[in-house]
Amino acid sequence: GNSVTQMEGPVTLSEEAFLTINCTYTATGYPSLFWYVQYPGEGLQLLLKATKADDKGSNKGFEATYRKETTSFHLEKGSVQVSDSAVYFCALKDSGNTPLVFGKGTRLSVIA
Amino acid sequence: GAGVSQTPSNKVTEKGKYVELRCDPISGHTALYWYRQSLGQGPEFLIYFQGTGAADDSGLPNDRFFAVRPEGSVSTLKIQRTERGDSAVYLCASSPTGTANYGYTFGSGTRLTVV
Repeated sequence: GNSVTQMEGPVTLSEEAFLTINCTYTATGYPSLFWYVQYPGEGLQLLLKATKADDKGSNKGFEATYRKETTSFHLEKGSVQVSDSAVYFCALKDSGNTPLVFGKGTRLSVIA
Repeated sequence: GAGVSQTPSNKVTEKGKYVELRCDPISGHTALYWYRQSLGQGPEFLIYFQGTGAADDSGLPNDRFFAVRPEGSVSTLKIQRTERGDSAVYLCASSPTGTANYGYTFGSGTRLTVV
């Protein structure tokens, strides 16, 4: 079945450091890929998405490229801020009437 | 409405009791999803509605869990004979359709605690 594997957290970085959160997936079809973010005390929010191979999703300085050859969708940001502290979830949606499948989440803490 | 609304935001119930959790999706969204999120885990799929019908209920853990969406808008997740293991945050999400890849809009969730 479809699944998503994320790197284990927590990840702790200093402000302005480079961020990578790894995500790999297994899917039977041609999925769309997503990153969701959950800030402390808030609900899940869509951060970015990519719907086909080699697409790059980007938002708020974050980027992720859909790599079909490595079945990956790693999240990157060049310079993190304290306000980026949150839990990040990688997710996939296969074609048709199928629901989103989430990874377990990676907690990011950015310290000043 | 402007977003997905879930009520109550918190619910504490005794083991063995019955609970109902409500979700009010974005107006016009035909697809509605229920997920359950345990501490330190990602959301786990429970059930998906397309309009009034349950298109996929494969994630419901057992027959104590049931959900309805009688008019194709508001949905209620019902849990009978609650157990301590049911304690989690229950998330609802909606999407314009079930097949397109828009991503979902999530509500803030209902935190259920079974004591």
